[in-house]
Amino acid sequence: SQQGEEDPQALSIQEGENATMNCSYKTSINNLQWYRQNSGRGLVHLILIRSNEREKHSGRLRVTLDTSKKSSSLLITASRAADTASYFCATDGGGGSEKLVFGKGTKLTVNP
Amino acid sequence: DGGITQSPKYLFRKEGQNVTLSCEQNLNHDAMYWYRQDPGQGLRLIYYSQIVNDFQKGDIAEGYSVSREKKESFPLTVTSAQKNPTAFYLCASSWQGASYGYTFGSGTRLTVV
Repeated sequence: SQQGEEDPQALSIQEGENATMNCSYKTSINNLQWYRQNSGRGLVHLILIRSNEREKHSGRLRVTLDTSKKSSSLLITASRAADTASYFCATDGGGGSEKLVFGKGTKLTVNP
Repeated sequence: DGGITQSPKYLFRKEGQNVTLSCEQNLNHDAMYWYRQDPGQGLRLIYYSQIVNDFQKGDIAEGYSVSREKKESFPLTVTSAQKNPTAFYLCASSWQGASYGYTFGSGTRLTVV
């Protein structure tokens, strides 16, 4: 079952521009997480935002969470070619959920 | 260095064969997970385990089996009952379930020949 859905499916920008990816989900959550996956590799955890938080920063990453709209956004500022990857949101489904459910991801290409 | 190791990186399976994918972690994490990823798709949960000697089915458990005899190890067997096993398999671990971030291995790419 796919809980999160990222938008857009693919995004192509120039180096130095900002990249914004969105995630919508269906059920209540305790937290929402964002991951990055380089081609052919495992996923890397980027940031976790809890349901009582509205915004969180980590370096060039900014994540927002709107639980009333069941949506989150990931902003990467001043993008670099090395940011080229797929980005996934994942949610825990609320309650005592033991597992994350991942969306299909946004494929970001940053052109030098 | 602490981490999670998957082996082999590439695996080829003949029709009717069972194959086992290895996943080992030295992070002292309680929970371990197996996901399957098809091209251009998200991750789908196969099995997960919160403690030793216990595991639960995920969304697509049919044709797969697991064991959790040691905290560090969570091998996945792809049986001949899995009709479409060609995919990228990812193992992950976490401190305590979905309340914390997952650490992923580098994946095993399984191809049926």
